[in-house]
Amino acid sequence: DVKVTQSSRYLVKRTGEKVFLECVQDMDHENMFWYRQDPGLGLRLIYFSYDVKMKEKGDIPEGYSVSREKKERFSLILESASTNQTSMYLCASTYGLAEEQFFGPGTRLTVL
Amino acid sequence: AQSVTQPDIHITVSEGASLELRCNYSYGATPYLFWYVQSPGQGLQLLLKYFSGDTLVQGIKGFEAEFKRSQSSFNLRKPSVHWSDAAEYFCAVGSMDSSYKLIFGSGTRLLVRP
Repeated sequence: DVKVTQSSRYLVKRTGEKVFLECVQDMDHENMFWYRQDPGLGLRLIYFSYDVKMKEKGDIPEGYSVSREKKERFSLILESASTNQTSMYLCASTYGLAEEQFFGPGTRLTVL
Repeated sequence: AQSVTQPDIHITVSEGASLELRCNYSYGATPYLFWYVQSPGQGLQLLLKYFSGDTLVQGIKGFEAEFKRSQSSFNLRKPSVHWSDAAEYFCAVGSMDSSYKLIFGSGTRLLVRP
């Protein structure tokens, strides 16, 4: 059974903290994605990676960075968390172009 | 600009009634389309997808969707809703021109009356 896992389901951090969200997939997928989900806005793409050490900005990259040192792992980093980054964060992976994206369960991040 | 519209924020149906969730897209290239479902506290699960060929596609859990190019629509249907179908539904669109990126609609929350 294919699986995308995220390191935390719930996370509470303080303003200014550095936050790491981890995502691991066991499907040997080339491509991985980070989205944030907010009510009424659907899913918005933050960053994606199409290969190890390769990344591209999505639609809302400001305030975020990413790291992909190994094929199976894609990390989202909030360098200095702010309250407007309180959201649900979803990781996804896919084998190739025009393929189904497989999603993790999400991390609900609250920044106080 | 590329966009996906799900005009209904909430829909309430009675258990056993039929369901149609609307999705309209604006895309310059030939699109491929998905419907995903998200149960509370869960990630997104694929219901069905359309790439080419037959414009009526069947998915899991008894769902189907029809791609209508002339109307730029990809509406999701189910003939008889079950209480377990209560969830949020997302339409997503991509194209061969947009690399790996999908654009998601804002979602429709389905409530099911007993």
